[in-house]
Amino acid sequence: ELKVEQNPLFLSMQEGKNYTIYCNYSTTSDRLYWYRQDPGKSLESLFVLLSNGAVKQEGRLMASLDTKARLSTLHITAAVHDLSATYFCAVANSGGGADGLTFGKGTHLIIQP
Amino acid sequence: SAVISQKPSRDICQRGTSLTIQCQVDSQVTMMFWYRQQPGQSLTLIATANQGSEATYESGFVIDKFPISRPNLTFSTLTVSNMSPEDSSIYLCSVARVGYEQYFGPGTRLTVT
Repeated sequence: ELKVEQNPLFLSMQEGKNYTIYCNYSTTSDRLYWYRQDPGKSLESLFVLLSNGAVKQEGRLMASLDTKARLSTLHITAAVHDLSATYFCAVANSGGGADGLTFGKGTHLIIQP
Repeated sequence: SAVISQKPSRDICQRGTSLTIQCQVDSQVTMMFWYRQQPGQSLTLIATANQGSEATYESGFVIDKFPISRPNLTFSTLTVSNMSPEDSSIYLCSVARVGYEQYFGPGTRLTVT
């Protein structure tokens, strides 16, 4: 059974600081996703990582994937208040291109001025 | 990206009744999924909605409780049957295309009294 663990589950940080969210998963998968969820809203797709060593960046967010370690990171650079949200990582349940996802518990991120 | 709509956006239902949630996508998609997000929790995959055949349910979810239809490549329904307060959740439709992106609908917020 695929299990996805995120840490930390809660993070309070100051604007301008850097921090990393970690996502570990238990079995081999060919796709890892990062989503953002604002309170009362649905999920916004941030990144899809498909191969070992993949790195993607968008603004102050950068995601990477190490399939050998079964680890993905979401790095936040010089955080700003607008990045406050809950961030989920999710892993595809099996190979084949389009499968349901198993989600981590989410990281509730608060960025204070 | 994909434009996904869900109806209703929210509902309050009585114990023992059933509610059917609709999911409409603006263009044909390969796969459609249904997830549940209980209050303050992460997302859990309920089932994969297969076009023209029975849905594929995840462990812990059964067809009698969550019947699903997918009559074509742009539309699916999820019914929550014989509801109890434990069914109070947000139900989200998700779609996937070639290229591995998975997008989520706005969700249906269900409260069972």
